[in-house]
Amino acid sequence: GNSVTQMEGPVTLSEEAFLTINCTYTATGYPSLFWYVQYPGEGLQLLLKATKADDKGSNKGFEATYRKETTSFHLEKGSVQVSDSAVYFCALSDYTGRRALTFGSGTRLQVQP
Amino acid sequence: DGGITQSPKYLFRKEGQNVTLSCEQNLNHDAMYWYRQDPGQGLRLIYYSQIVNDFQKGDIAEGYSVSREKKESFPLTVTSAQKNPTAFYLCASSSRQGDRGNEQFFGPGTRLTVL
Repeated sequence: GNSVTQMEGPVTLSEEAFLTINCTYTATGYPSLFWYVQYPGEGLQLLLKATKADDKGSNKGFEATYRKETTSFHLEKGSVQVSDSAVYFCALSDYTGRRALTFGSGTRLQVQP
Repeated sequence: DGGITQSPKYLFRKEGQNVTLSCEQNLNHDAMYWYRQDPGQGLRLIYYSQIVNDFQKGDIAEGYSVSREKKESFPLTVTSAQKNPTAFYLCASSSRQGDRGNEQFFGPGTRLTVL
């Protein structure tokens, strides 16, 4: 079956530091990959996505590249801000059958001023 | 504004009671989903529906039930058979059109606590 593995948190960084959150996946076929962000007490918001190998998703300074050879979709940002503090979820959809998302366990990011 | 609404935001239930969580969307999406989120864990799929009057069990359907009588509504009932219902429940919807990049849109969630 499908699965997503994320690095455990929390990740604590100082403002303007470089961020990497690792994500690897196992899936049949060619899934689409997503990063969602969740702020305290809220639902999830789509941060970025990639639908095929070598695609790069980007939004609000965050980037992730779909690497089929390493089955990875690591999230990066060059300079984090306090407002980036949230929980980040990596997810995939294989677009067969139920089309639901398979999520990683989430990584909490804390950015200190 | 288009979006997904969930109500109530907080819900308290006594042991042995059934409760129903509301989810409504005005995005004209065919597919709707219910997920459960526990602290420090990812989201797990409870039920999903890809079209009106049809729904399927997800990975953790035991103790839950749903209905899909209208396109815009997908209520979830947490029954007394659910052994550990305290969690954060998230509803989502998506278009079923063929685009591989179809994202799921999430509601704000309902936090259920069993007293």
